[in-house]
Formats: sequence, structure tokens, C-alpha cells
Amino acid sequence: RKEVEQDPGPFNVPEGATVAFNCTYSNSASQSFFWYRQDCRKEPKLLMSVYSSGNEDGRFTAQLNRASQYISLLIRDSKLSDSATYLCVVGNAGNNRKLIWGLGTSLAVNP
Amino acid sequence: DTAVSQTPKYLVTQMGNDKSIKCEQNLGHDTMYWYKQDSKKFLKIMFSYNNKELIINETVPNRFSPKSPDKAHLNLHINSLELGDSAVYFCASRIMDRVEETQYFGPGTRLLVL
Repeated sequence: RKEVEQDPGPFNVPEGATVAFNCTYSNSASQSFFWYRQDCRKEPKLLMSVYSSGNEDGRFTAQLNRASQYISLLIRDSKLSDSATYLCVVGNAGNNRKLIWGLGTSLAVNP
Repeated sequence: DTAVSQTPKYLVTQMGNDKSIKCEQNLGHDTMYWYKQDSKKFLKIMFSYNNKELIINETVPNRFSPKSPDKAHLNLHINSLELGDSAVYFCASRIMDRVEETQYFGPGTRLLVL
């Protein structure tokens, strides 16, 4: 089983749609959780951290379920500019605090 | 101002050559990383340095040798380049002990081995 698994997509949605991405992780001792965004031919950039209580940033909502080892990202009212690859990232415990990256979920928002 | 910079941005070279990629960050971070992203888009960590000390060394061929002359720089030297080394190499940095563990990435170096 991969350490971090995501549905690669692609997800094709119309503008204004709500879309949800899911991610599962295998290490129950993982301590930190993130969603990064990567545009085509660009570097990954942090979209948002994911907290146990769930958190929201504008149209984006992230949820964490430690019992099921599951993270989600919900995008409401999607815009053309949301088209990108969304990477689920999990931070291990330990001194080196290594981040484990999912393969990413590709989103295309269509006019 | 560029936070994490890499040079060169593009590198096209022949098999068997030796090449170096440089990375510099001006964020005052104490930890730096090299990642490889291949054609399948999988982002795989290669190395990490914290305060010039190697703390992560994944299963990477010996032909790859990182060097950190100081906290702000992490270079990657690759000997005897092979076709399979073609990929995008990203440098990243962060502050190790901060709760928010955001990594900031450089723009990437696109390496093509012919």
C-alpha cells in the first residue's frame, strides 16, 4: 500500500461546481497534513494545512479524519483558475519530519 | 525578491556527463531539500540537510551527491548522467522546528539527458 494515496483523476468540472478530493495515508503516527497545489510546469505551493478540527479558507475546506486516516479537500464555486494538480502531503513524526507526497489529483475547470 | 532560486532552469546534456544544479534560499530557513519529479509527476524526496547536516538520504544512486556549504545553499552534483535522470529537480526549504512545516519550493531545474 502506498504511504499516501490519491485518485489521480482527471476531474473535469464546469465553472461554479463543487468538487471534492480524497486522500488516505498509511502511517497512523503521521503528525501533519497539507494540501499543495501544482500548476503545469511550476513548483508546488502550499494551498492549506489541514487541522484536526477541519479548516476553511474562502472557497476551500479541508478535513482530517485520524481514525480513518483520511484527508479531504472541498472546493466550492470552482473557478477556471483552480485548474491544477492538488497534492496531498503527510508529515511523519521523527527528527527529520519528512513529508510524504501523494501523486496528485488533476483538476480541470471548464467554462 | 526570489525566495528559493535554482540554477540553471534548463539543462540539456549528453549521457555520461557530470553536471551540477545550485539552490539558494534567502528565507533564513535551516532545512533544505532536493526532490525529483519524473514524467509520471511523482514528487520523490532525495536528500535533506538541516544546518548543513544530512538528515534524509533516500535510496538514490551514488552518482548523486549533495553539498551544503552553508544553511542558505544546497547544491546537487550528478556524475555519469543516465537517460533515466531526465526529470524536474526541485529544491525546497523550511524551518525545521516550526509547527507550520510549509516547504517553499524553487522553480525547478528541467534536466534532459540525451
